[in-house]
Amino acid sequence: AQRVTQPEKLLSVFKGAPVELKCNYSYSGSPELFWYVQYSRQRLQLLLRHISRESIKGFTADLNKGETSFHLKKPFAQEEDSAMYYCALSGLNTGFQKLVFGTGTRLLVSP
Amino acid sequence: GAGVSQSPSNKVTEKGKDVELRCDPISGHTALYWYRQRLGQGLEFLIYFQGNSAPDKSGLPSDRFSAERTGESVSTLTIQRTQQEDSAVYLCASSLAGGPSGQYFGPGTRLTVT
Repeated sequence: AQRVTQPEKLLSVFKGAPVELKCNYSYSGSPELFWYVQYSRQRLQLLLRHISRESIKGFTADLNKGETSFHLKKPFAQEEDSAMYYCALSGLNTGFQKLVFGTGTRLLVSP
Repeated sequence: GAGVSQSPSNKVTEKGKDVELRCDPISGHTALYWYRQRLGQGLEFLIYFQGNSAPDKSGLPSDRFSAERTGESVSTLTIQRTQQEDSAVYLCASSLAGGPSGQYFGPGTRLTVT
């Protein structure tokens, strides 16, 4: 079965510290991996996808097929990064259209 | 232009009543998705529409749940004989074509069944 695991419910760091939000997945085949973010009182929005290999707002994520991980990283956290972060996957086994989400990690960046 | 909108934003209903949740997708988006998020859990896929047909209903939890879509426009998710376990935030998303990368989410409807 397809599954996404985000082991941390809450990650609290100080401004300027490095951040790593963990995501592990279970999937037979080649999935597409995504990170979604939800800022306070805003709707869920796409942050980045692995096939784009881009950096958005200083965040990057590398797909590690050997470890079945897609951790989200940022070298220097900012207070405005405080939000809920969801890892999600899609692929042929999920019908491609739908996303399978993790339970989310709340990132709190303190001044 | 306007994003995905959902109504109502909050709904409190008594156990056993029927409820209808509405989603207005972004104009021109052919694909529409419903997800559910129960407290402390991730989003669960419910149903996917391409145009007004639903090729994937695999996530609907029971036959009390149904959804329809008019053309490439509004969708309604109906829950009959609501139960307390139906309490959740119901999210709608739309995209230009089927596929996960371009999904734009609405603000959600928070349903509370008392």
